[in-house]
Amino acid sequence: EAGVAQSPRYKIIEKRQSVAFWCNPISGHATLYWYQQILGQGPKLLIQFQNNGVVDDSQLPKDRFSAERLKGVDSTLKIQPAKLEDSAVYLCASSNLHGVNTEAFFGQGTRLTVV
Amino acid sequence: TQLLEQSPQFLSIQEGENLTVYCNSSSVFSSLQWYRQEPGEGPVLLVTVVTGGEVKKLKRLTFQFGDARKDSSLHITAAQPGDTGLYLCAGERGGNKLVFGAGTILRVKS
Repeated sequence: EAGVAQSPRYKIIEKRQSVAFWCNPISGHATLYWYQQILGQGPKLLIQFQNNGVVDDSQLPKDRFSAERLKGVDSTLKIQPAKLEDSAVYLCASSNLHGVNTEAFFGQGTRLTVV
Repeated sequence: TQLLEQSPQFLSIQEGENLTVYCNSSSVFSSLQWYRQEPGEGPVLLVTVVTGGEVKKLKRLTFQFGDARKDSSLHITAAQPGDTGLYLCAGERGGNKLVFGAGTILRVKS
């Protein structure tokens, strides 16, 4: 079974520029998550989709971040304009319910450096 | 404030030593998961604990879920250099929501 695919792996941009990340979840997984992980910290949830609907985006900085999952499969996360503090690894994960538990499968992430 | 507090933040030990990592919260979770993350990779699920008081073993790793389902521990026996990584606990709340702790960085020296 193919895992969660993310691209690009690395991105370096200047502050105030825009950037977009792409994620293709595991086939059949209804839930898709975007997490931000700053170096040395745990992942922080930015947005959670259930199929193509948003379940939780309470921690998404909506003035600069946006995400979509139009067909309920792959997803894009955009930052416009980027700030220095946005430098982090952006992780995409997907899950499907197994019984009553959620098991999330993560991609390798996109490492963003804002200079 | 972190919903899940992990301790210690960093642990450096010699090969063969035992260690315990803790994950604590004031909130109740329907399940608690432990992940391990290596540099440049995404977290990989190690185990899910569901029932209060549950103990699960994975080779040299022992996971325990607190009776009240608010805390958990991970114990590693005879640590090896291959155990080096970032250990993350994640609590599940309703609607497939996963909340992560800040993680414990483990370094095992040979």
